[in-house]
Amino acid sequence: NAGVTQTPKFQVLKTGQSMTLQCAQDMNHNSMYWYRQDPGMGLRLIYYSASEGTTDKGEVPNGYNVSRLNKREFSLRLESAAPSQTSVYFCASSLSGAGNTGELFFGEGSRLTVL
Amino acid sequence: DAKTTQPTSMDCAEGRAANLPCNHSTISGNEYVYWYRQIHSQGPQYIIHGLKNNETNEMASLIITEDRKSSTLILPHATLRDTAVYYCIVSSMFSGGYNKLIFGAGTRLAVHP
Repeated sequence: NAGVTQTPKFQVLKTGQSMTLQCAQDMNHNSMYWYRQDPGMGLRLIYYSASEGTTDKGEVPNGYNVSRLNKREFSLRLESAAPSQTSVYFCASSLSGAGNTGELFFGEGSRLTVL
Repeated sequence: DAKTTQPTSMDCAEGRAANLPCNHSTISGNEYVYWYRQIHSQGPQYIIHGLKNNETNEMASLIITEDRKSSTLILPHATLRDTAVYYCIVSSMFSGGYNKLIFGAGTRLAVHP
């Protein structure tokens, strides 16, 4: 019962460094999402992938790129990290088609600090 | 998607019902009302959702007004483990099945002994 798995759980970067956050789900969900949450704030949608092979911008896409590698995996890349990207990143997935309730299943989060 | 308004914080005594209000006066006909909660710094957890009718599951009840401009999440017997931030979200379920939820600041519910 892994659900949504995110790696790494913690990361410290220097300004200008790049890194990729990995997300995998084992629930055969079609749709996947990346959110960020700054201290004391709600979640903001960065990018989402409605289905394998498609990706779209959310509320705050600047500074990020995504790849929907296959149905299971959805990665988030920071090409040149900035201190403003210090945040907790959450990946989520949802079922589509018959039985879809619109419920999102979230991972445990990846805590990123950019110095 | 329609915006929602929730109180910043609420308190509730353990064992009592917690009633969390949400205003969504600009909700459109095809938008659902979703409730999620986030305990400490964990990933958000789905609670319940509804379109027009009141809904109940093992976690909570959702009461939606007839004009759909507001709703109330009810935790019938709050426990200390229900202390969390509760998010009310309105969103349409796209035909492709994906659901682009936009979170606000939520209500911080503190359940005390």
